[in-house]
Amino acid sequence: EDQVTQSPEALRLQEGESSSLNCSYTVSGLRGLFWYRQDPGKGPEFLFTLYSAGEEKEKERLKATLTKKESFLHITAPKPEDSATYLCAVQASGGSNYKLTFGKGTLLTVNP
Amino acid sequence: DADVTQTPRNRITKTGKRIMLECSQTKGHDRMYWYRQDPGLGLRLIYYSFDVKDINKGEISDGYSVSRQAQAKFSLSLESAIPNQTALYFCATSDAQQTYIQYFGAGTRLSVL
Repeated sequence: EDQVTQSPEALRLQEGESSSLNCSYTVSGLRGLFWYRQDPGKGPEFLFTLYSAGEEKEKERLKATLTKKESFLHITAPKPEDSATYLCAVQASGGSNYKLTFGKGTLLTVNP
Repeated sequence: DADVTQTPRNRITKTGKRIMLECSQTKGHDRMYWYRQDPGLGLRLIYYSFDVKDINKGEISDGYSVSRQAQAKFSLSLESAIPNQTALYFCATSDAQQTYIQYFGAGTRLSVL
């Protein structure tokens, strides 16, 4: 069974204080790992796709990296508008390609 | 206007009542999904549909049914609501090639008393 574990459950940062969120996964064969952002009262919004170990993707203050067992979402000099819940999901390479297995998310709060 | 619209946004109902949650999309996608989100459990797939004639159960389909009325419309029904179906429900869509990029609605917060 595919599993995704995110840590920490919640993270509180001061504006400008860089940090990382972790997503560890267990999957029989990885088709891809995905990061989503969810704002309060809204549905998740797609951020990044990572396919293979060593791959990195960047968007503004966010950088996602991937190893064979985990992914990190690095947040550099965060701003209050980066506050959200960040979800990690995996898609297995075997079987149907529709299924995403989501982690429980990390609630990030950035204080001004 | 939102690409994926869910109605209602909030609903309070009583145990045993039938309730329908509706989802419509303007993305032109064939694939549509229903998820529920619970604190501490994350997003779980209830049902998914690859096109109007193709509907499939997800990991937690018991107590739910769906109807794909058109490419753009996908409804979720609770035939006889129970309190443990209290949750946040999301509809999502994707195209057939990039199924991992799912576009979510704003959600329906359902409370079953």
